[in-house]
Amino acid sequence: DVVLTQTPSILSATIGQSVSISCRSSQSLLDSDGNTYLYWFLQRPGQSPQRLIYLVSNLGSGVPNRFSGSGSGTDFTLKISGVEAEDLGVYYCMQATHAPWTFGGGTKLELK
Amino acid sequence: QVQLKESGPGLVQPSQTLSLTCTVSGFSLTSNSVSWVRQPPGKGLEWMGAIWSGGSTDYNSALKSRLSISRDTSKSQVFLKMNSLQTEDTAIYFCTGPLGARYWGQGVMVTVSS
Repeated sequence: DVVLTQTPSILSATIGQSVSISCRSSQSLLDSDGNTYLYWFLQRPGQSPQRLIYLVSNLGSGVPNRFSGSGSGTDFTLKISGVEAEDLGVYYCMQATHAPWTFGGGTKLELK
Repeated sequence: QVQLKESGPGLVQPSQTLSLTCTVSGFSLTSNSVSWVRQPPGKGLEWMGAIWSGGSTDYNSALKSRLSISRDTSKSQVFLKMNSLQTEDTAIYFCTGPLGARYWGQGVMVTVSS
């Protein structure tokens, strides 16, 4: 199974600070159809996960443009350009290129 | 408007079988996949398995021997059955889909306890 390693596991930030989360895969996530099925989710306390980014870098509907995704192959990054209070929670990457799908271990974003 | 809603018992006894239902609306199961994801208290997300648009399934390697996912397309429902439950199966169970987990249900808390 594909292993996704997220770093850091905890991220302390001030409001307005820009931060990045890394997601590294144990194998390439480039599919034979040319797509890379790498997603980013935010789970706020007590809520279901919300999809932020799909196919590495595409912003989900209604997601603020301070969120951006990048990367290729085995190395991916989620960046938040100017953290806001509503961004606090746990971020997960997920791959859907290889079955079974797998999630990263999560990165908790908290206020410094 | 796409919606998914999980339903099932909140309490299951150890060694028994868990049965959950995900009722979807706003999309067709014959054209889209649905996955099950669970989250033990205070822990991360674990993808359990999925049923694809054509009716085939894939499962988490660690759960494969205990897990079955099926569907009734006429009722827009997806079913999860997992046997031999233990206390470590206590978790919130979510269903999600389509289009790469774009939409999620609110989840159902399942406690495994005698």
